[in-house]
Amino acid sequence: DIQMTQSPASLSASVGETVTITCRASENIYSYLAWYQQKQGKSPQLLVYNAKTLAEGVPSRFSGSGSGTQFSLKINSLQPEDFGSYYCQHHYGTPPTFGGGTKLEIK
Amino acid sequence: EVMLVESGGGLVKPGGSLKLSCAASGFTFSSYAMSWVRQTPEKRLEWVATISSGGSYTYYPDSVKGRFTISRDNAKNTLYLQMSSLRSEDTAMYYCARQGGRFYFDYWGQGTTLTVSS
Repeated sequence: DIQMTQSPASLSASVGETVTITCRASENIYSYLAWYQQKQGKSPQLLVYNAKTLAEGVPSRFSGSGSGTQFSLKINSLQPEDFGSYYCQHHYGTPPTFGGGTKLEIK
Repeated sequence: EVMLVESGGGLVKPGGSLKLSCAASGFTFSSYAMSWVRQTPEKRLEWVATISSGGSYTYYPDSVKGRFTISRDNAKNTLYLQMSSLRSEDTAMYYCARQGGRFYFDYWGQGTTLTVSS
């Protein structure tokens, strides 16, 4: 199975800051990488798929990049509603696997 | 509005069985592959099963293969997960998810909790 490794595991930032979360795949997944946001007590929500395509309704301050084994999610000008947990997931094939998550907290 | 509403979770003894359901609305259910994804108490997300739009093809990870069965009733817009030989490590929140494309999940339900404990 393809292993997905996210970093950092946790991150503290202030409203207005720009943050980047990284995700590394254990083998080449081309651009088949998705990002999800999960707020406390809620289900995950798709942010990005195919590494850089924003899901419907996702604000443009979110952007995804990368290919092969190295990927990143960048959030410009953090807003209060952006705090929560973020997960990457490869969708290259089965089994699709998730990273361990990054918890983004308010500084 | 796409809605996915899971039900059927509960407390089950090891070795027991349970069937989860997911009622879908707000989209053409029969046009989409559907999946179950679970989140462990440690917040780890794990893919559990996928079924093709017509129901002909199913996919499972090794961890549940032979124990879990995904099915669907397109006439009732409902997805199911039959779970048997349950283990403590199956304890999780189970989410029903619509597959937006190649094994990514564009809409998720609110989840239903399974606890496997004696």
